[in-house]
Amino acid sequence: RKEVEQDPGPFNVPEGATVAFNCTYSNSASQSFFWYRQDCRKEPKLLMSVYSSGNEDGRFTAQLNRASQYISLLIRDSKLSDSATYLCVVNQYNFNKFYFGSGTKLNVKP
Amino acid sequence: DVKVTQSSRYLVKRTGEKVFLECVQDMDHENMFWYRQDPGLGLRLIYFSYDVKMKEKGDIPEGYSVSREKKERFSLILESASTNQTSMYLCASSLGTRDEQFFGPGTRLTVL
Repeated sequence: RKEVEQDPGPFNVPEGATVAFNCTYSNSASQSFFWYRQDCRKEPKLLMSVYSSGNEDGRFTAQLNRASQYISLLIRDSKLSDSATYLCVVNQYNFNKFYFGSGTKLNVKP
Repeated sequence: DVKVTQSSRYLVKRTGEKVFLECVQDMDHENMFWYRQDPGLGLRLIYFSYDVKMKEKGDIPEGYSVSREKKERFSLILESASTNQTSMYLCASSLGTRDEQFFGPGTRLTVL
């Protein structure tokens, strides 16, 4: 079983739409959580950290549900420039490892 | 601004060759990582290092070794390249083990 699972998509949405991705993780001992963004043929870059209380950065909102072991990313008012692959990342402190999901692809269309 | 650089963007090698992938970071980060990224499998950790001359195996270390002689440089070595090592290789660094990782641009390695 994979440590982190994501729906690969693609999610095809029109500009201005709201879209949400979920990601589930298998180890309840996981302690920190992130969303990274990866553009085609580029390296991953941090989009936002995910805190227990949830956090918001402009049009992006991240939530953590420890009981159900999933994190979510909500994008409001989608822009063409949001088209990318979004990677869910989970950190287990006791193993000093980051586990990456295989990514969810988002296509925002005019 | 953190910068992580990798020695090559594209590399083509033959089966059995010894391959060196170099990674350099300029932010005095303690931790450095090597991943490979394959379609449908995501990023998988090969090795990481939390200090000079220290290394730990990741999830898929077989067929690879690493070297960290200086804090800023972390090398990945394929002792005898095989076709199943054709992949995108990404190096990353972070200040602490729980901190954001900064990635290099990647090396797309093809083994023929």
